Amino acid sequence: EAQVTQNPRYLITVTGKKLTVTCSQNMNHEYMSWYRQDPGLGLRQIYYSMNVEVTDKGDVPEGYKVSRKEKRNFPLILESPSPNQTSLYFCASSPRTGYGYTFGSGTRLTVV
Amino acid sequence: GESVGLHLPTLSVQEGDNSIINCAYSNSASDYFIWYKQESGKGPQFIIDIRSNMDKRQGQRVTVLLNKTVKHLSLQIAATQPGDSAVYFCAENPRGAGYSTLTFGKGTMLLVSP
Repeated sequence: EAQVTQNPRYLITVTGKKLTVTCSQNMNHEYMSWYRQDPGLGLRQIYYSMNVEVTDKGDVPEGYKVSRKEKRNFPLILESPSPNQTSLYFCASSPRTGYGYTFGSGTRLTVV
Repeated sequence: GESVGLHLPTLSVQEGDNSIINCAYSNSASDYFIWYKQESGKGPQFIIDIRSNMDKRQGQRVTVLLNKTVKHLSLQIAATQPGDSAVYFCAENPRGAGYSTLTFGKGTMLLVSP
């Protein structure tokens, strides 16, 4: 089944403890992206990647890192999480420019 | 956790009615638009897309209309069903051709009563 897989689905962590949310797609898509979703603010792009080793900042990149060492994987790294990063996170992929994203099921992160 | 549906404009319809959800987009250079559906606890799901060289596109029970003059997008759902209840987002590609990054609207909650 063609899909975007994120892990974990739920995560509660403490301020300052580094964490990684994994994302993998099995559709051989070139483009991958991370969004966060907050009530009243909608979906906002954190980072995106146009291909292996090519990444760029989205609208809200502060406090996040990404890497794209392989085409299928695009992990999101929070080096020192803070409570304002409590959110619902979505990974998405797209075959190429001009096509919509396929989204993962989401990761609900709580930073206390 | 707090629902993403809070603070959203809401459209309430009866089962069998036609629904129209509207979206104003911001960038006149955008050339690709998508409607997504998000059910509670799930990721956004692609419904239908349209490119700027078209004014209308139809899918199964859904139609998207694009008015570039006023930068307006609408999603029409025919014979709305309870399973259509969800939050609906429009998205635009604000940088035009060459990038696959999308900017999303805030969303509209559709509530369908049996």
